[in-house]
Amino acid sequence: NAGVMQNPRHLVRRRGQEARLRCSPMKGHSHVYWYRQLPEEGLKFMVYLQKENIIDESGMPKERFSAEFPKEGPSILRIQQVVRGDSAAYFCASSPSSNEQFFGPGTRLTVL
Amino acid sequence: QKEVEQDPGPLSVPEGAIVSLNCTYSNSAFQYFMWYRQYSRKGPELLMYTYSSGNKEDGRFTAQVDKSSKYISLFIRDSQPSDSATYLCAMRGGANSKLTFGKGITLSVRP
Repeated sequence: NAGVMQNPRHLVRRRGQEARLRCSPMKGHSHVYWYRQLPEEGLKFMVYLQKENIIDESGMPKERFSAEFPKEGPSILRIQQVVRGDSAAYFCASSPSSNEQFFGPGTRLTVL
Repeated sequence: QKEVEQDPGPLSVPEGAIVSLNCTYSNSAFQYFMWYRQYSRKGPELLMYTYSSGNKEDGRFTAQVDKSSKYISLFIRDSQPSDSATYLCAMRGGANSKLTFGKGITLSVRP
C-alpha cells in the first residue's frame, strides 16, 4: 500500500518562473492538504481540498498561488512568478476522512 | 501569543533516558492532538493521535493531553539513537481539518 507520493522531490526555478508540485494521495483517500515548511519554521497550513473542491484555502497567499484536485489525477499546487521567498519544503498530506493526516516526502523548492 | 508553543530545544539525552516533550496552546477549540516525528529531509510521520484529555500509550510512547491546562506531552521511554529526529506537535478543532503545528524540537539520543 503505497504512501502519499509527491513529485518532483526537488525543484529548482529562477525568479519569475512557474512551479508545479504534484501530490498523489494514498489509495482510498479523498482529502488532500498542502503545508509549507520554511527554514526554522514549523509547518504552516495552506489549503485543503477534496475531489474537485477547495474546502479551505485560508492559508494560501492571495496572489500567485493556486491549488486543484481534479476528479482524475494528482493534486497540483501551482506557484506563478516565483520569488526567493517561495523557497521552502512543500508537503502534501492525505486523509480518508477529516481525521489522521498522512504526509508525503515533500518537494523542496529552491528559487534562484 | 502563538496558537501553539513548543519548547525550542535542541534536546540531547543519553540512550535509555526518558524523554518528555511538551506543547502548550491557546485555542480552546482544539480537540484533536497529534505528535509527528520528522527525520531530516523527510516528511512528518504520524506517531500518536488523541482526542480530548487523557493518556494514550503505544509501545515506548505515551501521549498525554490536559485540556484544562491547554498542555500536551509526549513521553518516550527507553530512548534509542533511532529516536533522534524532530518532533512536532499538531492539533485541530472538531469542525476544521487544518492542522496547526508547533515549531518542532530536535531530539538527539546519544549512544
